[in-house]
Amino acid sequence: QVQLQESGPGLVKPSETLSLSCAITGDSITSDHYWGWIRQPPGKGLEWIGNIYHSGDIFYNPSVKSRLTMSVDTSKSRVSLKLTSVTAADTAVYYCVRAPSLELRFLGIDSWGQGILVTVSS
Amino acid sequence: DIQLTQSPAFLSASVGDRVTITCRASQDISGYLVWYQQKPGKAPKRLIFAASTLPSGVPSRFSGSGSGTEFTLTISSLQPEDFGTYYCQQLSSHPLTFGGGTKVEIK
Repeated sequence: QVQLQESGPGLVKPSETLSLSCAITGDSITSDHYWGWIRQPPGKGLEWIGNIYHSGDIFYNPSVKSRLTMSVDTSKSRVSLKLTSVTAADTAVYYCVRAPSLELRFLGIDSWGQGILVTVSS
Repeated sequence: DIQLTQSPAFLSASVGDRVTITCRASQDISGYLVWYQQKPGKAPKRLIFAASTLPSGVPSRFSGSGSGTEFTLTISSLQPEDFGTYYCQQLSSHPLTFGGGTKVEIK
């Protein structure tokens, strides 16, 4: 069974860069899945951030695209997220997720990490 | 972007009640709709995919229907453990989007 574990700082200063990592176990990072991030501001709904395939194929949400970089490290079985120039609006629980290939996208997200709360504050 | 509008935003119902949540898409998404259940402090869990298919392990009191722009999630007989917030998500096109959520409270 796949397990996803997010890690990174819980507090980031405004205008700085938010960096998160997701360790993937129980599945190969090169399996036929996308790996992605979804966030949820405290008390609010879910927002899809982006998905990345091990080959480097990437989809970003236009709402954060200009500030976002996602990458895959196949040797370490990790997916990373970097979000620059953060503001209080980026305060959220960030979830690492496994999503199906485009052909099977109707399956939806079948695996989620436990989530990590990142607060943007000075 | 495809907008998803869920209704109601909140509902309070008794154990045994039949509960229906609606998700409307701003354009045709065929059957590319998934429903998730989220308990407080936990990650969401997939309840239904492809609009109407239950993954293994999901109780049969949950059902989904719809296609195109209108979808429903039904709980045939509400149970105490069904409290939480329910979200729909469209996977028809990027950016992937979620509905605003429906919070279900047990009376």
